[in-house]
Amino acid sequence: GENVEQHPSTLSVQEGDSAVIKCTYSDSASNYFPWYKQELGKRPQLIIDIRSNVGEKKDQRIAVTLNKTAKHFSLHITETQPEDSAVYFCAASGYSTLTFGKGTMLLVSP
Amino acid sequence: SAVISQKPSRDICQRGTSLTIQCQVDSQVTMMFWYRQQPGQSLTLIATANQGSEATYESGFVIDKFPISRPNLTFSTLTVSNMSPEDSSIYLCSLTPGLSYNEQFFGPGTRLTVL
Repeated sequence: GENVEQHPSTLSVQEGDSAVIKCTYSDSASNYFPWYKQELGKRPQLIIDIRSNVGEKKDQRIAVTLNKTAKHFSLHITETQPEDSAVYFCAASGYSTLTFGKGTMLLVSP
Repeated sequence: SAVISQKPSRDICQRGTSLTIQCQVDSQVTMMFWYRQQPGQSLTLIATANQGSEATYESGFVIDKFPISRPNLTFSTLTVSNMSPEDSSIYLCSLTPGLSYNEQFFGPGTRLTVL
């Protein structure tokens, strides 16, 4: 089955800095790669996703890149703000089910 | 976007008992799923809830422990049976909306504590 590795497990940045979270996947058949943000005590929220026919997607301060050859995808957050502090999960999917990475706790200090 | 509700939002149960968690959506959806999130951990898929047929369970999860129903396109239940403290987790349902493919949106979760 699919295996998703996510790094780093924790990331501390200063407000205004950029943050990058990286994931690798094992199943070459995977074609959908979402990112979720989970604030403490809340449900995971889909913040951005990318499909295998696209190399990069951007939505305001967040962007996701995908390298299918390397089976690698990344989340980029620019101009970080304290409200970006949360746990971020990457995931990979081939048909309908999602396999999640272990998560990255992002802390943005004012 | 679809509004997803779960009941109960939290519960404290005694070992050996069972708890049924409900997931209700305000519109018809194609796929519904149940996840477990242990404290401080990632999300693990328990099963895909299939409308009108038996759920499809992931490795490590069995129907006797986690029976699932999905009688229609807007409702599903997950039962955690014969509970032990190791079952203490957040249980979340998720769904793929009717016109989407792969996208999943999560319910608010049920926080279960087993004593």
